[in-house]
Amino acid sequence: SQTIHQWPATLVQPVGSPLSLECTVEGTSNPNLYWYRQAAGRGLQLLFYSVGIGQISSEVPQNLSASRPQDRQFILSSKKLLLSDSGFYLCAWEVAGGGEQFFGPGTRLTVL
Amino acid sequence: AQKITQTQPGMFVQEKEAVTLDCTYDTSDPSYGLFWYKQPSSGEMIFLIYQGSYDQQNATEGRYSLNFQKARKSANLVISASQLGDSAMYFCAMREIPNYGQNFVFGPGTRLSVLP
Repeated sequence: SQTIHQWPATLVQPVGSPLSLECTVEGTSNPNLYWYRQAAGRGLQLLFYSVGIGQISSEVPQNLSASRPQDRQFILSSKKLLLSDSGFYLCAWEVAGGGEQFFGPGTRLTVL
Repeated sequence: AQKITQTQPGMFVQEKEAVTLDCTYDTSDPSYGLFWYKQPSSGEMIFLIYQGSYDQQNATEGRYSLNFQKARKSANLVISASQLGDSAMYFCAMREIPNYGQNFVFGPGTRLSVLP
């Protein structure tokens, strides 16, 4: 069966520090991968998606970036965090071609 | 333009009763899929149920059913026999097939509270 992992689960970082959040999927090949951000009590905002290794599409301008160095690995990064980067970050995967998305447990990021 | 509307920011239901969570959508694409997700306080998004635009019957999954009214562009989630563990945020989502990426959009969510 397929599983999706995210780490770390929680993170507290100072403004201006770098960020690296990792997402890995097991049990499937060539998935579409997604990064979402969710502000407290709000809906999901799509940040990035990827349909293959090295293929990244960005949905909103921001100081975040994403990379997909391996088929089942998706990384969210920042060189310098802003206060507004605080939130709950969710990674999701789906079978290539569409369908329901399956989500990881999320990372709660607090930027101080 | 808002593609998914969930007009109920919060809902209360008595344990063991049924509850309907509203969702309306906007698309000009004849092929699309509708999804419902549950997000408990732990934060994980849990997929509940799927309805395809060409499906003739309403989708059902255990205590969850989707009241699909295509002409009205509504896809309401019905939870029967509510349980305390059903207390969570519920999100409606839509995909305009066969695309991906930005074409998977979520509504703002409804917070359901089940009362003992």
